Formats: sequence, structure tokens, C-alpha cells
Amino acid sequence: GAGVSQSPSNKVTEKGKDVELRCDPISGHTALYWYRQSLGQGLEFLIYFQGNSAPDKSGLPSDRFSAERTGGSVSTLTIQRTQQEDSAVYLCASSSGREDWTQYFGPGTRLLVL
Amino acid sequence: TQLLEQSPQFLSIQEGENLTVYCNSSSVFSSLQWYRQEPGEGPVLLVTVVTGGEVKKLKRLTFQFGDARKDSSLHITAAQPGDTGLYLCAVPHLGGGADGLTFGKGTHLIIQP
Repeated sequence: GAGVSQSPSNKVTEKGKDVELRCDPISGHTALYWYRQSLGQGLEFLIYFQGNSAPDKSGLPSDRFSAERTGGSVSTLTIQRTQQEDSAVYLCASSSGREDWTQYFGPGTRLLVL
Repeated sequence: TQLLEQSPQFLSIQEGENLTVYCNSSSVFSSLQWYRQEPGEGPVLLVTVVTGGEVKKLKRLTFQFGDARKDSSLHITAAQPGDTGLYLCAVPHLGGGADGLTFGKGTHLIIQP
């Protein structure tokens, strides 16, 4: 379909390993967002990309987290030296970035750090 | 302190009953959104409210934005099992519409047939 897609859908990793999560936004959407959803904290904003502007990284919980967006489309969220508290669902959303700022979410990547 | 407080956290009712869930804050917002999330999926936008006192209806769902734009409610009439899900309210993260969103922790709603 034409929605936001994320991969992998599930990821199990060992503590200390690095992981990469991928997001393919809706074609033509200039704005892309990453969120984390965990049982205790609910849905938390992580980072926001708008066109070619510098990303808003204000929500990243530590310097182990980074994200990039290549060519204004696909985005990768990288978590280095994963910790058990990183276990969560990582959700990506995109929007047209114009007057209608409705965000369309992907199904998420479920990350489990053992 | 959570910016958006949603209540109740959990609600389980029988099909056909009415219910109201709440989203409260001490801050004033330019707009507020309600989302529904089903297991294994991302949140889906239900409505955006922007004017104090605004009421919007979506079939059996009625959304209200408080006069002071600090709170909102969602009322469901004659609930159906298909209404089951996590209901989330959200506001713009840094005050602008195109920025990220700040979410409440949500109300887990179960409608029993």
C-alpha cells in the first residue's frame, strides 16, 4: 500500500549490540518523525526531520541514539550499545509538512533487548 | 509531571453503554488531537480540535475541546466491540503544528460483546 512502512517488524538483540531500524515514509511527505512507545512511559517523541533542515533531536534520550534521513525520504534510527531499557516499540510517522500536519504512523518495530 | 493526563487509564464496559474519557492539562494548547491505536498497529488520527469550546462528531464519537483550550473529552455513544483500543490525546510538541507530538499515556478501552 501507500502507507508508512517500517522494518524489521520485530527485532531481538543482546545487550551491548547496535541496532538499525528503518522507516519508509509516504511518498511526497517532507516531514518524518520517530517516537518510542513503552509500557511505563507511553508514546515519546524522539526526533523530527523537515525537508533539508537540521533535525530536531530534542527528544533523543541519550547520545546512543541517532537518526538520519537520506535523500529526504528513507530514515534510519540507530541505537548503539543497546540496553534493556531500550526495549520498546519504535514508531515512525510522516506528514506532508504543509498546512495539514496530520501524522500518519507506521506499524512500528518491536525491539527486545535481552 | 505528565503534560497531558488521561483518565481513566483502563475502562471495560459492555456493548451498548456510553462512556467518556478525558484529557487534561494545566497548559493551554493551540490545538489537540485524538488518536486510536489497535494492537500491533500505529496510532490513527480521529480528530483535530483547534477552537476553545469546539465540538466535533465522528459517527458515535463526540469530541470536545475545553473553552480554555486546556482539556478535551471524548464521548462514545452505544459503544461497539470495534471501538476497543488505546485512545490517545496529543498536542504539538513545541507549539507548532508541524513539530512532533506530545502524547498522553492513553485510555485502554475494552468493549465486551
